[in-house]
Amino acid sequence: GENVEQHPSTLSVQEGDSAVIKCTYSDSASNYFPWYKQELGKGPQLIIDIRSNVGEKKDQRIAVTLNKTAKHFSLHITETQPEDSAVYFCAASSGYSTLTFGKGTMLLVSP
Amino acid sequence: ETGVTQSPTHLIKTRGQQVTLRCSSQSGHNTVSWYQQALGQGPQFIFQYYREEENGRGNFPPRFSGLQFPNYSSELNVNALELDDSALYLCASSIQGVLNTEAFFGQGTRLTVV
Repeated sequence: GENVEQHPSTLSVQEGDSAVIKCTYSDSASNYFPWYKQELGKGPQLIIDIRSNVGEKKDQRIAVTLNKTAKHFSLHITETQPEDSAVYFCAASSGYSTLTFGKGTMLLVSP
Repeated sequence: ETGVTQSPTHLIKTRGQQVTLRCSSQSGHNTVSWYQQALGQGPQFIFQYYREEENGRGNFPPRFSGLQFPNYSSELNVNALELDDSALYLCASSIQGVLNTEAFFGQGTRLTVV
């Protein structure tokens, strides 16, 4: 089955800096890669996703890149703000909404 | 906020007991997936329900079972609870039949087994 590795497990940045979280996947059939943000006591919130026919996608301060050959994808957050502090999860799916998640990255943005 | 709601939000059960968790899917969504999230870990896929039938299952024993109702809401049942079943249980709703459709999560049910 699919295996998703996520790094780093924790990431501390200063407000205004950029943050990058990286994931690798094992199943070449995976073709959908969402990213979720989870705040304490809440369920995961979809923040951006990318499909295998696209190499990069951007939404304001958030961008995701995908390298299908290397089987890795990354989340980029620019101009970080304290409210970006949360746990971020990458996931992979080969279709029909069954997601395999990474172990998560705790992002801490200090003012 | 997604339109996915789960109940109850918190639950404490004794080892060996049975528990039922409930999920209402987002309007327009016909598929519900259940995930278990242990502390400090990513969610793990339990199973998915579509058209009131199980439509895929992760590596969980048969004492984890579910139902989906005609209005697309769903229940997760766990029998013979073990201490390791303590976790956040999440449901996610999506649209079956559409490849790579987004999945939206509820706020979860925190289950503690003592």
